[in-house]
Amino acid sequence: RKEVEQDPGPFNVPEGATVAFNCTYSNSASQSFFWYRQDCRKEPKLLMSVYSSGNEDGRFTAQLNRASQYISLLIRDSKLSDSATYLCVVKAQGGSEKLVFGKGTKLTVNP
Amino acid sequence: EAGVTQFPSHSVIEKGQTVTLRCDPISGHDNLYWYRRVMGKEIKFLLHFVKESKQDESGMPNNRFLAERTGGTYSTLKVQPAELEDSGVYFCASSLVMNTEAFFGQGTRLTVV
Repeated sequence: RKEVEQDPGPFNVPEGATVAFNCTYSNSASQSFFWYRQDCRKEPKLLMSVYSSGNEDGRFTAQLNRASQYISLLIRDSKLSDSATYLCVVKAQGGSEKLVFGKGTKLTVNP
Repeated sequence: EAGVTQFPSHSVIEKGQTVTLRCDPISGHDNLYWYRRVMGKEIKFLLHFVKESKQDESGMPNNRFLAERTGGTYSTLKVQPAELEDSGVYFCASSLVMNTEAFFGQGTRLTVV
């Protein structure tokens, strides 16, 4: 079983749509959780950290369920510029800086 | 401020040859990481330097890979001899201290033919 599993995608949505990405992780000792965004042939960039209480940054909302080992990302009112691959990323137990990546889910927002 | 820079951006080499990738972290960042993504797979951790010391090299695939960070500034990742399965994109990242955001470079796309 992979350490971090994501929806395989790809997702194709019209502008203005709401889209949700799901992710599960296998290591219950994982401490930190993130969503990264990667544009085609570019480097991954941190989109947002994910906290147990859930957190929101503009049109983006991230949720974490530690009991289910489940992470989600919701994008509301999607824009053309949101087209990218979204990577679910987990940091292992305390003391390790190693990031564990999911394969990513590609999103295309269409006009 | 300059971000993480990697050189070269692309490299095509023959099986059996040697390639050296270079990473210049953001100035002042003690932590430097190497990751790679092979075709169709997820990005995977290779190793982590704190200054010039290897903190975690659990992701290094085998002894054909050698990473160095002399002086605690830039780092090199040498693959010798390269094999076909080494093809992929090699990313370097750096962070200021532990538990802070890691910034990635644009990667080196390595093709072994």
